[in-house]
Amino acid sequence: AQSVTQPDIHITVSEGASLELRCNYSYGATPYLFWYVQSPGQGLQLLLKYFSGDTLVQGIKGFEAEFKRSQSSFNLRKPSVHWSDAAEYFCAVGRDMRFGAGTRLTVKP
Amino acid sequence: GAVVSQHPSRVICKSGTSVKIECRSLDFQATTMFWYRQFPKKSLMLMATSNEGSKATYEQGVEKDKFLINHASLTLSTLTVTSAHPEDSSFYICSARDLRRGNQPQHFGDGTRLSIL
Repeated sequence: AQSVTQPDIHITVSEGASLELRCNYSYGATPYLFWYVQSPGQGLQLLLKYFSGDTLVQGIKGFEAEFKRSQSSFNLRKPSVHWSDAAEYFCAVGRDMRFGAGTRLTVKP
Repeated sequence: GAVVSQHPSRVICKSGTSVKIECRSLDFQATTMFWYRQFPKKSLMLMATSNEGSKATYEQGVEKDKFLINHASLTLSTLTVTSAHPEDSSFYICSARDLRRGNQPQHFGDGTRLSIL
């Protein structure tokens, strides 16, 4: 069965610092992988997705993610975090979109 | 781009009433729509998959008589929370998949905050 794990419940970084959010998945074949962001009380916004091809995926708002089959991971990165990036981030796997538990990002001034 | 509209965005009602939430794909046809429930500070839990013209497929543990799903057209799915109680209070989110773009992700609505008094 498909499953996705986000090991970090809450991460705090300083504004301008780099960011990496972890995502590990369990899937029988090459998975469809997604990262979404959710601001408080809002819906979901797609940051990026991976279906096949280049394992380094560029997304919106300066985010990128790298698919590593050997590690079953799809970590989200951003080189320099802005205060507006504070939100909840969800990794999802599969066409029926199974979500991880989410990682809440806090940005310190 | 493709847009999914969810209505209402917020509803407050008394215990025992039924509440209907609509999910519309505005500029694309969606044979499949998904309904999620999100508890405070928690992840999205897939409740059911709604297929146009057929019965919805419910996830384990989701009461189909409690959460009625109708997907009568390629642009509209509805979720009705029947005889709602305070424990049904939650954030409900729908999503839809664009028929024309088989390998593209789902598009999400902005969610409905349901509060049962």
